[in-house]
Amino acid sequence: GAVVSQHPSWVICKSGTSVKIECRSLDFQATTMFWYRQFPKQSLMLMATSNEGSKATYEQGVEKDKFLINHASLTLSTLTVTSAHPEDSSFYICSARTSGTIWETQYFGPGTRLLVL
Amino acid sequence: GDSVTQMEGPVTLSEEAFLTINCTYTATGYPSLFWYVQYPGEGLQLLLKATKADDKGSNKGFEATYRKETTSFHLEKGSVQVSDSAVYFCALTFFSGGYNKLIFGAGTRLAVHP
Repeated sequence: GAVVSQHPSWVICKSGTSVKIECRSLDFQATTMFWYRQFPKQSLMLMATSNEGSKATYEQGVEKDKFLINHASLTLSTLTVTSAHPEDSSFYICSARTSGTIWETQYFGPGTRLLVL
Repeated sequence: GDSVTQMEGPVTLSEEAFLTINCTYTATGYPSLFWYVQYPGEGLQLLLKATKADDKGSNKGFEATYRKETTSFHLEKGSVQVSDSAVYFCALTFFSGGYNKLIFGAGTRLAVHP
């Protein structure tokens, strides 16, 4: 099956710094990638949708200046948490899908746990 | 808006026990329904899906039937194994902004003991 990787798997940073998380589709081209956030014991919440070469579409309530998304190629999307604060600590998960019908399956990465001190 | 509600965990079972994880949904249209599984340290994997009412999704001994009348998609397995220990997420799709997006339930942790 299709494989999606994320890097890093774990990151600890100081408050005020920026953190970049990478999401890669390893064996397929992903025209669309999704970024989710998961709080402990809660469901995954969609943050934004990105298409290769275009601006990301953010869900209501998600600050686009806070969470910068760049989908520079068909195999790589990055999420940058700018000026991170402790409330940004969470589990960030990406998924990727290929072009095709609207019923395409999303393939998920293993997630990145961010802890802001 | 659309939403998914699933039973809280953890669910603890002995090997070979029968499993049911309840999932109900609220949707304005006719969503597709999914169960995803997340094994420790891994990403979510699609377990099964159903795209219309009365469809039954099945995989690896797990089954779920799309019940429109009760807006449910309960996950069942007749005999669980230790290797089934994971977190299970019920989800539905809705079409918005040109994309097929997923809404997830909170997840149910299953622990199977020998």
